Amino acid sequence: GQQLNQSPQSMFIQEGEDVSMNCTSSSIFNTWLWYKQDPGEGPVLLIALYKAGELTSNGRLTAQFGITRKDSFLNISASIPSDVGIYFCAGQKKSSGDKLTFGTGTRLAVRP
Amino acid sequence: DAMVIQNPRYQVTQFGKPVTLSCSQTLNHNVMYWYQQKSSQAPKLLFHYYDKDFNNEADTPDNFQSRRPNTSFCFLDIRSPGLGDAAMYLCATSRVDRGEQFFGPGTRLTVL
Repeated sequence: GQQLNQSPQSMFIQEGEDVSMNCTSSSIFNTWLWYKQDPGEGPVLLIALYKAGELTSNGRLTAQFGITRKDSFLNISASIPSDVGIYFCAGQKKSSGDKLTFGTGTRLAVRP
Repeated sequence: DAMVIQNPRYQVTQFGKPVTLSCSQTLNHNVMYWYQQKSSQAPKLLFHYYDKDFNNEADTPDNFQSRRPNTSFCFLDIRSPGLGDAAMYLCATSRVDRGEQFFGPGTRLTVL
């Protein structure tokens, strides 16, 4: 099935640095979601976006719904060791009902 | 706290021996999903329920079955597990027409 293009595939950064990742698609989505998954656990919803251009924050996390509705971005400011994990974007389009299309994931490692 | 619960967290079975994984939710969501996830890949949807209306993905093997006896519970039955079925199995829920899916912690299945 379709997957969203998510980049970068992995990042290894120093504690305190800011992080940016993005998700792109060739088709339009109505909802963009960002999840974080720790090893051995299920994905946890971080941010949900519903409108083109929407910018939403959750603590040190900020995500944006792209104007074209074909992309989304996630920024993490002042990273800390517990930010380590895999970040997945997911999009939903009305034609697919309630099903999500997932990105390929960004693996984040933080060096103390 | 409202949540999605999966039992067991770890399941070991033998090749060909049927196994059942369970999921329960206290969110009172209409929609429940089962995903398979292998080695840090994105979750792959197996099937989902709108209330009791079952929806199978076209590429879900016949070996995988599901039951949803009531709103709160959903079961994944693997009739004859093969080595390739070893994976993390994730249950998720959502409200109808709302993009956000909420995941349980997952069940890690090992097939010997």
